[in-house]
Amino acid sequence: GAVVSQHPSRVICKSGTSVKIECRSLDFQATTMFWYRQFPKQSLMLMATSNEGSKATYEQGVEKDKFLINHASLTLSTLTVTSAHPEDSSFYICSATRRGTQYFGPGTRLLVL
Amino acid sequence: KQEVTQIPAALSVPEGENLVLNCSFTDSAIYNLQWFRQDPGKGLTSLLLIQSSQREQTSGRLNASLDKSSGRSTLYIAASQPGDSATYLCAVIAQGGSEKLVFGKGTKLTVNP
Repeated sequence: GAVVSQHPSRVICKSGTSVKIECRSLDFQATTMFWYRQFPKQSLMLMATSNEGSKATYEQGVEKDKFLINHASLTLSTLTVTSAHPEDSSFYICSATRRGTQYFGPGTRLLVL
Repeated sequence: KQEVTQIPAALSVPEGENLVLNCSFTDSAIYNLQWFRQDPGKGLTSLLLIQSSQREQTSGRLNASLDKSSGRSTLYIAASQPGDSATYLCAVIAQGGSEKLVFGKGTKLTVNP
C-alpha cells in the first residue's frame, strides 16, 4: 500500500514561535504533495500544492511567507508555520499523490498558546 | 468555483440499520469523486473512488453512486455497525488535470449499539 506519515502528530507552541511539520511518503515517491488545514467541524481546505524541486503553489488567501513549504526530495515535504499565532491553531493534513490517487497522512494537531 | 455540500451534517442510527449519506456539487465537470472516512483527530481513509464515467462503486457494505449531470452522489452503508461511527467526507476533483480535491464539510455518523 501507499503510506504517508506526518511528524509530529501533535505540537503545542508559544505565540511567535515557528513550527515545522514533516510529511513523508514511506513506500513511494511523490512529485506532488498537498497541504490541507481543517478547523473544528469544518471541511479540509487546501492550502498549497507542494512540487518537488520547485516552488509551492498557494491557494488564494494563504500567505506564502507565513506558511513556508519545502519539497526537497521525492519523499519529503515540510510545512513551516512562521511566527505562529493562536488563530493558526488547527489540524494540518498532508497528502501525497501516487498514480493519480491521493494518500493522506494522519494529520498534525497544532495548538498555539 | 466548485462547492461541495453534504447532507445531513450529523446522523445517529441504531446498529443494523441501512443508511444513505448525500453529497452534491455545483460544477458537474468533475474528473472523479471520492468518499473518505475520518475518525476523530485522525487523517483520511479513502473508501470509494468513482470516475466521472462510472455510475457506482461497491466495496463490502458500502456502495457509492454518482449522477454527474445532476451533481449528486450518495454513499449507502448496509447493516451499519458501531465501528462505522466516523465522519464521512465527499470530495471531487475537477476536470482538466488538476489533482486538487474540493471537500464537503462531512457527515458525522454515530451508530448506536
